[in-house]
Amino acid sequence: EPEVTQTPSHQVTQMGQEVILRCVPISNHLYFYWYRQILGQKVEFLVSFYNNEISEKSEIFDDQFSVERPDGSNFTLKIRSTKLEDSAMYFCASRDRRNTEAFFGQGTRLTVV
Amino acid sequence: AQTVTQSQPEMSVQEAETVTLSCTYDTSESDYYLFWYKQPPSRQMILVIRQEAYKQQNATENRFSVNFQKAAKSFSLKISDSQLGDAAMYFCAAQNRDDKIIFGKGTRLHILP
Repeated sequence: EPEVTQTPSHQVTQMGQEVILRCVPISNHLYFYWYRQILGQKVEFLVSFYNNEISEKSEIFDDQFSVERPDGSNFTLKIRSTKLEDSAMYFCASRDRRNTEAFFGQGTRLTVV
Repeated sequence: AQTVTQSQPEMSVQEAETVTLSCTYDTSESDYYLFWYKQPPSRQMILVIRQEAYKQQNATENRFSVNFQKAAKSFSLKISDSQLGDAAMYFCAAQNRDDKIIFGKGTRLHILP
């Protein structure tokens, strides 16, 4: 069964460092998303991506964040200068045009120290 | 804007009993989708059940069923014959067609042996 794959599963980084979280969506899916879940809190929308551009972003998604689909298969989330409050679980999701159900990856746990 | 409200932060149920998790939502759209996701300790997001708003029939998936009250904007999840493996965080979510998913704050479900 096709699935969304995220790497790494856990990343520890120093405050101020750049991190790149990687996602491989299900092939032939066209819509891509990043969500964030701070421990013990709700799952929050960060950004949606379609047709090689951002279609919507939340207030959380400030200039420190960027997304890219560099090679037609990977979908990355970059945080330029991490802060302690960026520590969270980050989920990637994708869906195709016909079926609205979004499939989630297993998440990347980011710890900023 | 869409909102999703889960008013029960935690619930407990005896193994083999039935439990109902509540969810209300608000949307101005007529065409939308509703979901229940399960998040076990691994923090992976697992789709439990989905409901399309235009369908009057309540969705069911084995021991999981929903009570969808469109006029009241209510979407509760019933788990029958609760099992220890059902212990998890449960998130109610809503999505307007071709839009992002919005999550509630979640309900932590404990299963008592």
